[in-house]
Amino acid sequence: DAGITQSPRYKITETGRQVTLMCHQTWSHSYMFWYRQDLGHGLRLIYYSAAADITDKGEVPDGYVVSRSKTENFPLTLESATRSQTSVYFCASKFGGRLNTEAFFGQGTRLTVV
Amino acid sequence: RKEVEQDPGPFNVPEGATVAFNCTYSNSASQSFFWYRQDCRKEPKLLMSVYSSGNEDGRFTAQLNRASQYISLLIRDSKLSDSATYLCVVTLNTGGFKTIFGAGTRLFVKA
Repeated sequence: DAGITQSPRYKITETGRQVTLMCHQTWSHSYMFWYRQDLGHGLRLIYYSAAADITDKGEVPDGYVVSRSKTENFPLTLESATRSQTSVYFCASKFGGRLNTEAFFGQGTRLTVV
Repeated sequence: RKEVEQDPGPFNVPEGATVAFNCTYSNSASQSFFWYRQDCRKEPKLLMSVYSSGNEDGRFTAQLNRASQYISLLIRDSKLSDSATYLCVVTLNTGGFKTIFGAGTRLFVKA
């Protein structure tokens, strides 16, 4: 099916463990984004990518690593999970040809770090 | 200071009311503007883009004031189904298209 999908939808992990959240889109959108959403903060940009092998930091990148070896995938890794990283994570993608294009979101990954 | 700021609300209004949301942005490099809607525990979805001349989509009107770095959304004749969080969004052209969301304004429309 076409679209943007995130996996897993739910994840519980322990403090200190590495965890990777996956994001896959089928539109060949050049831009992809990772956000986290917490009560009182709305969506905060973690990292974004303009194309394969090009990534940039967002507002809250510390503790996260991203890669983009293929246009369609943009995994987000928490190298050593902390409780403060408990959040809902959203991946998004958009066509990069024009500035005012719509961003499409995945359904989110609810991550709990215990 | 946050790059995009919104009144968090909540706004509690009766059906049929007119409600207005405001949003300010701090970066003059902001070049595209949007309103997104997010229902509880769901992903955000585009409500409408915001153009300098102002634009309308049915009961929804969006306006942009670049000089004041201010965006607004007006909802007329509110429906129960309008209950959601409304997110103000700006895209900055900083070499790449960095898309920043406001924290959102919560709206409750009651019968």
